[in-house]
Amino acid sequence: GESVGLHLPTLSVQEGDNSIINCAYSNSASDYFIWYKQESGKGPQFIIDIRSNMDKRQGQRVTVLLNKTVKHLSLQIAATQPGDSAVYFCAENTGRRALTFGSGTRLQVQP
Amino acid sequence: SQTIHQWPATLVQPVGSPLSLECTVEGTSNPNLYWYRQAAGRGLQLLFYSVGIGQISSEVPQNLSASRPQDRQFILSSKKLLLSDSGFYLCAWNSYTNEKLFFGSGTQLSVL
Repeated sequence: GESVGLHLPTLSVQEGDNSIINCAYSNSASDYFIWYKQESGKGPQFIIDIRSNMDKRQGQRVTVLLNKTVKHLSLQIAATQPGDSAVYFCAENTGRRALTFGSGTRLQVQP
Repeated sequence: SQTIHQWPATLVQPVGSPLSLECTVEGTSNPNLYWYRQAAGRGLQLLFYSVGIGQISSEVPQNLSASRPQDRQFILSSKKLLLSDSGFYLCAWNSYTNEKLFFGSGTQLSVL
């Protein structure tokens, strides 16, 4: 079936570097995408979202890029900090009422 | 502002015992409500969602059930827990006009 997946299960970066977390989706009908951050033992927290009529959206230190041609979504974190260490999930709205989530990428920030 | 409450935070239950997890939302009316389960180191699996009182949709056949007795209350239940029911259970809500999900703090369930 169609699903959302991630290229890298774990990403390790140095503090201060930029991080890029990737996500592939297969449902071409998806019109809304969202990134969540989940710290250990906590519920996911919203980071940033983007609709399919856009290819880029920026927030505070974060940027989401959407490439509909290759069905690829990425989250860029600028000047990564230790507090950014967490698991990051992408999710898509396939037209159903609930979001479909990927399996997640663990970001480890080395001091 | 809207808030979502989920309890308990942790729960240890023996196999075969019943389960009741509760979730409430404040500051909004007629929310869509969701139960997700997360196995250790894995993604989120949708279990149930509800668009109104008494309206429950089940995503996967399982040992669990859900109920929505009030507009902003969502309950996850089981009559007899299995070992495979262990996991991190998350309640979430959104509105009809906004797909963004807001999650509760989760319940870590261990079935022994």
